[in-house]
Amino acid sequence: QVQLVESGGGVVQPGKSLRLSCVASGFSFSSFAMHWVRQAPGKGLEWVAGISFDGTKKYYADSVKGRFSISRDNSKNTIHMKMNSLRAEDTAVYSCAREWELLPYFDFWGQGTLVTVSS
Amino acid sequence: QTVVTQEPSFSVSPGGTVTLTCGLSSGSVSARYYPSWYQQTPGQAPRTLIYNTNTRSSGVPDRFSGSILGNKAALTITGAQADDESDYYCVLFMGGANWVFGGGTKLTVL
Repeated sequence: QVQLVESGGGVVQPGKSLRLSCVASGFSFSSFAMHWVRQAPGKGLEWVAGISFDGTKKYYADSVKGRFSISRDNSKNTIHMKMNSLRAEDTAVYSCAREWELLPYFDFWGQGTLVTVSS
Repeated sequence: QTVVTQEPSFSVSPGGTVTLTCGLSSGSVSARYYPSWYQQTPGQAPRTLIYNTNTRSSGVPDRFSGSILGNKAALTITGAQADDESDYYCVLFMGGANWVFGGGTKLTVL
């Protein structure tokens, strides 16, 4: 079955960096676009970034553009997100999600990893 | 900046019918935005309910249905059950891999 497992979260000081990973299994990873979606404590879902199936196209929400970078390694069934210049408002659970290949929607989600930005 | 609007909260009686909506702060929601709906309970990953406006995801009961009502996307729950008490999110695909979530609706079944 499809599984998405995130890691790399933790507590980090404002202005510092962190790298998240999401390991996928149970499907042909290199055929699917992947995304990061976050949820701040007590808040709603926010799309953060997406990457095409082959890694050639990358997209970012305005709130993270220039600070976050998404990448993928299809040989390891993994996507990453490098987060630089972190701010308190980046505190959230970060989840990876698979985009269905035929229509734009998120068909599978991981459980997420918590990032806390605090001094 | 695109803002997707949802009712912050809604209440329905067990067995009742409720329609949650998903609108745009400027303009109308249509099928071209491929509206999809997700259910989330606290501490859990979102569960996909509806995609492409009105297609139920695998395993989703038929009491959940999606549509376009007027200028909004809509999620209707017919015959609400206690375990439908959750947060519900819509998301619109704005093109160019730009996705915008609504703020979510907290549904209470009582």
